[in-house]
Amino acid sequence: SYELTQPPSVSVSPGQTARITCSGDALPKQYAYWYQQKTGQAPVLVIYKDSERPSGIPERFSGSSSGTTVTLTISGVQAEDEADYYCQSVDSSGTYVIFGGGTKLTVL
Amino acid sequence: QVHLVESGGGVAQPGRSLRLSCAASGFTFSSYAMHWVRRAPGQGLEWVAFISYDVGKQYYADSVKGRFTISRDNSKNILYLHMNSLRTEDTAVYYCARDLYEGVVAATGVDVWGRGTVVTVSS
Repeated sequence: SYELTQPPSVSVSPGQTARITCSGDALPKQYAYWYQQKTGQAPVLVIYKDSERPSGIPERFSGSSSGTTVTLTISGVQAEDEADYYCQSVDSSGTYVIFGGGTKLTVL
Repeated sequence: QVHLVESGGGVAQPGRSLRLSCAASGFTFSSYAMHWVRRAPGQGLEWVAFISYDVGKQYYADSVKGRFTISRDNSKNILYLHMNSLRTEDTAVYYCARDLYEGVVAATGVDVWGRGTVVTVSS
């Protein structure tokens, strides 16, 4: 079965850069999407099609792709960025959606 | 403004059924594919099901295939999830979500989420 692998946790100090990776065999052929979920809230799309940023998402959020790994980068991390982050993609036929296990970002 | 509002959650015994609803507003519901996604306590997000904009395609996670059915009423702007043979591991917050693109029959990403409805399966 298709899997997306993320680190369980990432910790950074305010103002630093956080990088969250997501690895999966199908990522060279399928786009990745990133979501932020804060405690008790619905998820929010922060990056789509590997590196596109939806309107209203701060410029400090960016995405990149290289081979079987995609990366969410948060530059100049702020306390409000503390949340769970999930990558998501689909299988080659677009019939099965998969989420990564999630990464808890802690702002020290 | 685009809104998705889920309802129908509650407590059910194992083996019983529940039907979730999601009322959509602020966009042309009939033009967008839709998803159900859940998050169990202490776990991450799990995709549950997808339905194309024209009702022609439905896809399911292996964990719910044969037990859950996704459907939609484009005349009423409502998405449904019929859940049968419920198990304790189906306990979760269930989110209704809109696919990114209009007119798709294959899943992509999600750009709009509801606030979720809680389903608890317990004896």
